This record gives sequence, structure tokens and C-alpha cells, in this order.
Amino acid sequence: DQQVKQNSPSLSVQEGRISILNCDYTNSMFDYFLWYKKYPAEGPTFLISISSIKDKNEDGRFTVFLNKSAKHLSLHIVPSQPGDSAVYFCAASDEGGSEKLVFGKGTKLTVNP
Amino acid sequence: NAGVTQTPKFQVLKTGQSMTLQCAQDMNHEYMSWYRQDPGMGLRLIHYSVGAGITDQGEVPNGYNVSRSTTEDFPLRLLSAAPSQTSVYFCASSYGAPSSGANVLTFGAGSRLTVL
Repeated sequence: DQQVKQNSPSLSVQEGRISILNCDYTNSMFDYFLWYKKYPAEGPTFLISISSIKDKNEDGRFTVFLNKSAKHLSLHIVPSQPGDSAVYFCAASDEGGSEKLVFGKGTKLTVNP
Repeated sequence: NAGVTQTPKFQVLKTGQSMTLQCAQDMNHEYMSWYRQDPGMGLRLIHYSVGAGITDQGEVPNGYNVSRSTTEDFPLRLLSAAPSQTSVYFCASSYGAPSSGANVLTFGAGSRLTVL
């Protein structure tokens, strides 16, 4: 059973608009949540993270929101840029911030000029 | 810094052959891990190590062996390759994120393996 779910395989937005990527999880023991971005033929790169004791974390154009009661988190990118086009993975860890991450299947974001 | 270096980038094997995927990091990270990525499956943890001499299994360990004799190196061995092991393999090492306290994985560029 998938513990981290990204139900939208793809998302297309216009440059300058907001991109919202969603992620749901089932394990209430998850302590930390992370977002990774992946370009073709490269390894995933860390984007932003949030602890389960917070509901928002911001870094420049990227903001992650966490709704623990709904077991849902989202990544907002404002404004979206063509260079943001990539696959975005949601990941979670438990055991007090374990390095053992559980990944979602990813959402491919396309930002059109 | 080179970060996490994986070799080879591409490899084609025949069923039953053995090979080792190499992984090295120069960041003095204690934690290292191997993931595989398959179409529509995300990344799944194969094996991980919390330090030299210590390894453990992840979600999909069958068919793979690992060892950790030094902090820098964490090779992944396929003893008898099977077509089901056709995948892209990523090695990663870990550091702590200042903003949240989460342990963040730094990934290598990947090794694409095809088993015929």
C-alpha cells in the first residue's frame, strides 16, 4: 500500500502563474516531509522541507503547506518559470527524522512560456 | 566538492551476469543509501547504511548486496542480474536541513541499468 501519494501525474501552467503540487500520506508517524525536483538524466535535488510541527515553510518562490489533520501537503511555486519544468517528488520520513525516505510517484510539471 | 559520484552511468547486462554499481561521496556523510526508480513507481529504497560497517535492508532488497568498508564508498552488487532489475539506480548520502531539521538526501546522477 502506497504511503505517500501524488495523484496527479502531470500539471501544466503558464509562466508567471502559480503552480500547486499536491501530496497525500497515510502514515501518521511521518515526522518530516520533503520535496525534490528532478530533471531528465539527473538525480533528484532537494527543494524544501517541513517538520510535522509546522504548517508552512517558505523559501523564495517555493512554499510548502502541511495539513496534518487531512494528511495532506502541497507545494506552491510563485511565480512559475519555464526552468521549473521538471518532475517533483514528495517524500516523507519517520522515526524522528530518519534518512529513510518514502517517495511518491512524482508529478511532472510543465511551465509554458 | 564532487558530491555523490556514481559509476557507470550506463550498463547493459545479460541475465545471470554480475556487476557492481559504484558510489562515492566526499562530504563525510555517515548515512548512505541506494534507491531504484522505475516508470510510474517513484523511488524505492534498496539498502542503506548508517555508517562504516553497518548496512540494512530497505523496501526492495532482494537480488542486491551492499557493504560499507569506508565512510566514502557504498557499492551495490547484483550477483545474478534479472530483467526485473532493469532500472535507474540512485545513490544518496544525507545531511541535516537547517530550516526544518529533516535529514536531506543528496543524490548522485544515477546509473541506468538494462538487463537483457
